[in-house]
Amino acid sequence: QVQLQGSGPGLVKPSETLSLTCTVSGDSVSSGRYYWSWIRQPPGKGLEWLGYISYSGTTNYNPSLKSRGTISIDTSKNQFSLMLTSVTAADTAVYYCARDSGSMLRGADVWGQGTTVTVSS
Amino acid sequence: EIVLTQSPATLSLSPGERATLSCRASQSVSTYLAWYQQKPGQAPRLLIYHASTRAPGIPARFSGSGSGTDFTLTISSLEPEDFAVYYCQQRSNWPQLSFGGGTKVEVK
Repeated sequence: QVQLQGSGPGLVKPSETLSLTCTVSGDSVSSGRYYWSWIRQPPGKGLEWLGYISYSGTTNYNPSLKSRGTISIDTSKNQFSLMLTSVTAADTAVYYCARDSGSMLRGADVWGQGTTVTVSS
Repeated sequence: EIVLTQSPATLSLSPGERATLSCRASQSVSTYLAWYQQKPGQAPRLLIYHASTRAPGIPARFSGSGSGTDFTLTISSLEPEDFAVYYCQQRSNWPQLSFGGGTKVEVK
């Protein structure tokens, strides 16, 4: 059974850097079959796709992040991570990590439980 | 950027009734559209991909249809556990993905 477990600080100060990690069990981030994604959901709002990383380190980001976001992968720990710099209150959200098929055909079939991040001084 | 518009924003129905949810794309996405269900306090769950293919373990009462710019998610007979928010996601513009604003199916 594949599981994704997100972790990171629940409170970040404005202008600082948000760092989240997703630990994968039951699958390997280096298997090459999937892309590893981050999605967020502001309080009371809808879903926003943030970006993904492949096993080889290829990344793609939502332009709305305006180059503030970086997704990385650590195959030795079977983890992938999200860093978001210069955060503001608008970055307050539940952050989900997910396993994505990496193609147009399918979708994100396994999700983490979500990590709540609040940006506040 | 492909924009997805979901309607209605809220659908008030009773258990046993049929639910019809709409997702309209700002340009053609062919059949590269997925649907997700999200219950309060939970992560989204993949229901449908490629517009009409049910994901593993999804009950047959869920069905998807459409192509191009207009898509429909139908729940043939609402069960109590189906009251949730539903999101569509376009995958035509891979690797740039986007979600619709969601439709909440609530108990009437």
